[in-house]
Amino acid sequence: SQKIEQNSEALNIQEGKTATLTCNYTNYSPAYLQWYRQDPGRGPVFLLLIRENEKEKRKERLKVTFDTTLKQSLFHITASQPADSATYLCALRRYGGSQGNLIFGKGTKLSVKP
Amino acid sequence: DAMVIQNPRYQVTQFGKPVTLSCSQTLNHNVMYWYQQKSSQAPKLLFHYYDKDFNNEADTPDNFQSRRPNTSFCFLDIRSPGLGDAAMYLCATSRVSGANVLTFGAGSRLTVL
Repeated sequence: SQKIEQNSEALNIQEGKTATLTCNYTNYSPAYLQWYRQDPGRGPVFLLLIRENEKEKRKERLKVTFDTTLKQSLFHITASQPADSATYLCALRRYGGSQGNLIFGKGTKLSVKP
Repeated sequence: DAMVIQNPRYQVTQFGKPVTLSCSQTLNHNVMYWYQQKSSQAPKLLFHYYDKDFNNEADTPDNFQSRRPNTSFCFLDIRSPGLGDAAMYLCATSRVSGANVLTFGAGSRLTVL
């Protein structure tokens, strides 16, 4: 069966360091991979999308990589700040299928300490 | 600002008492989704509408129903809530596109007593 795994439930880092979150998947051949941020008691907010033919995507302090051989995406936040503390979810959509087949991982809860 | 609005934000109901959660959007997106998210778990897709076409996930219980009377509104009906249905219910919308980027509402937190 298809699975999405995010490396850890929680990640604690010091302000100013780079946070690296991992998303692994099995039995998928995704055309796109997305990252969302979710604050407590709120809906997820879209951050970045990377296509299967892209190795890397950047947006301000965020960087996403996508390795379809390893079936893995890494999500980096450089110069992390306490305001980056949140849960980060990865999501995959397969080729074809219905419009509804966007599947999420459980997320990694990031805490950035001052 | 264009957005997705969910009401109510917090809903408390009794075991077996029907509940309706609403979602409205000003984005004019074709597709509307309902996800269920329990604490520390992944959002789980219940169903979605592609325009008026309803698409149910195979493992969504019959207890959950949905209505989309027009482009802007979508409702989630829980006919007989059980304790296991306590969760955050997330409405999302998207354009019809390959990327399928979702715009979520703030969610409706359901408590079942």
